Amino acid sequence: SAVISQKPSRDICQRGTSLTIQCQVDSQVTMMFWYRQQPGQSLTLIATANQGSEATYESGFVIDKFPISRPNLTFSTLTVSNMSPEDSSIYLCSVVRDRAIDHQETQYFGPGTRLLVL
Amino acid sequence: DAKTTQPTSMDCAEGRAANLPCNHSTISGNEYVYWYRQIHSQGPQYIIHGLKNNETNEMASLIITEDRKSSTLILPHATLRDTAVYYCIVRGTTNSNSGYALNFGKGTSLLVTP
Repeated sequence: SAVISQKPSRDICQRGTSLTIQCQVDSQVTMMFWYRQQPGQSLTLIATANQGSEATYESGFVIDKFPISRPNLTFSTLTVSNMSPEDSSIYLCSVVRDRAIDHQETQYFGPGTRLLVL
Repeated sequence: DAKTTQPTSMDCAEGRAANLPCNHSTISGNEYVYWYRQIHSQGPQYIIHGLKNNETNEMASLIITEDRKSSTLILPHATLRDTAVYYCIVRGTTNSNSGYALNFGKGTSLLVTP
């Protein structure tokens, strides 16, 4: 398994401000992902954090709004920029340790960051 | 990845087996069935996965029908701490990093009652 920590665990922010969420893994991992979970909803993939290159964003998510960094194989950040109340969600970091030959990779999730935008 | 269909909610009495169904009628031959659960206020937790054979681990059993169009997750002796949303996800093979990410549906909200 992988031990994943996120900071902050929760925050209350004013609209128009930005928040950077950190994700730290206890060992090197091949892939890191960021998800959003809006109130009462399921998880939605925001982007894949790529080491050494720009993140790969899913439809509906853009770099200007959700800039992502991944400086090494154990750490990534997600910034929620120019926040509005609609950004109030849980943001989750997720990792896959290694590419398996038979593609049976288990994906692990962090505890999430609860964001409330006023 | 194939789409999955799960009941919105289920109840189970504590100590009894919880059987959670999942329909994935469009699954293709190289796609795996994964089960995760999310206990309130926590990140999703991996439970089990399988391709075509039944699987069992310390948490649960996974029964996949012979035609692979449906599966059932079995929690043999449900406890109150098993109350959670259970997600059935189908994922195929891919060579892109983005393709490895799991796509979550709405899942089944399981309530285990005393």
